[in-house]
Amino acid sequence: TQLLEQSPQFLSIQEGENLTVYCNSSSVFSSLQWYRQEPGEGPVLLVTVVTGGEVKKLKRLTFQFGDARKDSSLHITAAQPGDTGLYLCAGAGNQFYFGTGTSLTVIP
Amino acid sequence: DVKVTQSSRYLVKRTGEKVFLECVQDMDHENMFWYRQDPGLGLRLIYFSYDVKMKEKGDIPEGYSVSREKKERFSLILESASTNQTSMYLCASSLWDTNNSPLHFGNGTRLTVT
Repeated sequence: TQLLEQSPQFLSIQEGENLTVYCNSSSVFSSLQWYRQEPGEGPVLLVTVVTGGEVKKLKRLTFQFGDARKDSSLHITAAQPGDTGLYLCAGAGNQFYFGTGTSLTVIP
Repeated sequence: DVKVTQSSRYLVKRTGEKVFLECVQDMDHENMFWYRQDPGLGLRLIYFSYDVKMKEKGDIPEGYSVSREKKERFSLILESASTNQTSMYLCASSLWDTNNSPLHFGNGTRLTVT
């Protein structure tokens, strides 16, 4: 059962551009995590958001948890080639439910 | 830092073979998980374990079994490998509080069944 939908699935942008990735669900989660996965490696945690409406910033990355705790967004400002990777959201319930992933390529 | 080690990065097996994927974590985590990752489908949970000798089915357990005889080790077993089990397999561990504890992943095992 796929509970989390991410959009877009693929994104290719020029260095310096801004972008937003969305993670949507009809289910309520107690918390939501964002991971980044680089080729040949496992996903690595970027952030955990817990409270509805919460906004967290990690350098050029801004994460927001929806008020109803059903959705989240990741905004990257002035993307760099080092941001290239697969971005995954994961909602916490009795297990972790992963989104379908957004593959980001930042072109120098 | 937590380290999750998967024994093989690449495996090639024949249809019908019994396959063992091993995973070891070094941070005394209670929870361990096995996922498979396929393009466009994200990560899908196969099995997980909250304690030694304890296992729970995830979303796609068919064709798989697991073993957790020691806290640090979680093994995934393909009883009779089939071509549709060709995939990337990811092991992860976390502390008991799944709501607030991150998953720590290994680097994955890419399994090809021919």
